[in-house]
Amino acid sequence: DQQVKQNSPSLSVQEGRISILNCDYTNSMFDYFLWYKKYPAEGPTFLISISSIKDKNEDGRFTVFLNKSAKHLSLHIVPSQPGDSAVYFCAASESKLIFGQGTTLQVKP
Amino acid sequence: GAVVSQHPSWVICKSGTSVKIECRSLDFQATTMFWYRQFPKQSLMLMATSNEGSKATYEQGVEKDKFLINHASLTLSTLTVTSAHPEDSSFYICSARGTSFIHEQYFGPGTRLTVT
Repeated sequence: DQQVKQNSPSLSVQEGRISILNCDYTNSMFDYFLWYKKYPAEGPTFLISISSIKDKNEDGRFTVFLNKSAKHLSLHIVPSQPGDSAVYFCAASESKLIFGQGTTLQVKP
Repeated sequence: GAVVSQHPSWVICKSGTSVKIECRSLDFQATTMFWYRQFPKQSLMLMATSNEGSKATYEQGVEKDKFLINHASLTLSTLTVTSAHPEDSSFYICSARGTSFIHEQYFGPGTRLTVT
């Protein structure tokens, strides 16, 4: 049973435009969410997180939005850069992280 | 801050031998460390959780006698793949969580294991 889902396996965006990566979850008890970026053959890198008491958290070009009623969160990257091309994982935090399947973002120059 | 290292970054071994992978938190004390495995084009699969000084908690389906985990100090955890077989070939990644950040896990760079 997939508790955290990233339904889009891939996304392609033009450099300078906005990238929006989506994530849905099923367990309303989750109260903390994280986004990680991963390059091939490397470990994931922590990007940004959000607590369920907030609906938005911003850090530079990265903003995470949380819609608790819809059990949905999204990561916005603006402006997108070619170096942002990677696999992005959302995760819910319990005693452990529960990862989505990942979305491969390609930013075209 | 929050840097995690892994050693080795890649290793090739023969079937039947054992391989040890080290995971270190370099600038924080890791009260909890996690070991993951990633198959090609798939998400991270949590293998086990270890707390310093305690026995590891393994996820369902993970053989604890095959994947030995030791978390002897607040900065070091090791994963030993015993009697390795080709199907154990994979990308193994550790992560660590410290007392100052109860949710965020910081990941090591991963270890590519190839069993011939």
